Amino acid sequence: DIQMTQSPSSLSAYVGDRVTITCRASRSISSFVSWSQQKPGQAPKLLIYSASFLQSGVPSRFSGSGSGTDFTLTISSLQPEDFATYYCQQTYSTPYTFGQGTKLEVK
Amino acid sequence: QVQLQESGPGLVKPSQTLSLTCTISGGSINSGSYYWTWIRQPAAKGPEWIGRMSVFGKTDYNPSLKSRVTISAVTSRNQFSLKLTSVAAADTAVYYCAREEANRGSAIDIWGQGTMVTVSS
Repeated sequence: DIQMTQSPSSLSAYVGDRVTITCRASRSISSFVSWSQQKPGQAPKLLIYSASFLQSGVPSRFSGSGSGTDFTLTISSLQPEDFATYYCQQTYSTPYTFGQGTKLEVK
Repeated sequence: QVQLQESGPGLVKPSQTLSLTCTISGGSINSGSYYWTWIRQPAAKGPEWIGRMSVFGKTDYNPSLKSRVTISAVTSRNQFSLKLTSVAAADTAVYYCAREEANRGSAIDIWGQGTMVTVSS
């Protein structure tokens, strides 16, 4: 299985901050990475697919980059509704695997 | 707008079979560019991919669960299902049905709301 190592596991930030979350794959996965946001009691919501493509309806303050083994999710200016848990997922080969998550909390 | 809804028992006894159904609304299970998927998430943990099926009959399962999992479709009802045999406490989780979109790098673009399943006697 491909392991996805996500960091940091938790992050405190202020509204308006720029934040970056990283994900590293245990081997090259081209651009087959997606990023999702999950709020308590809700299903995950797709933000970014194919490493850098913004899902329809997602605000442009979210962006993704990377290829091969190293990937990043950036939120350019945090809004109150962005405090949640974020997951990366590789869809290069089955079994698809997720990072362990990054909990983004308000400072 | 496609929506997914899980249904099934919320409590299953150890060693029995967990059976869940996902009903698709606003779209057809027969759309060829999708895989229909099950994912689970134990409390305070990350999601775990269980497996997927295509309308053409192809299935893929997580090797960690493969001997116990079956995913199949009832196309006439626009539904697909999950069966997990010989369950134990470690199978307690929120179970999600979801859609994998081949044209979006196989990303999971639609999720059901999830259903909590507890394995306990």
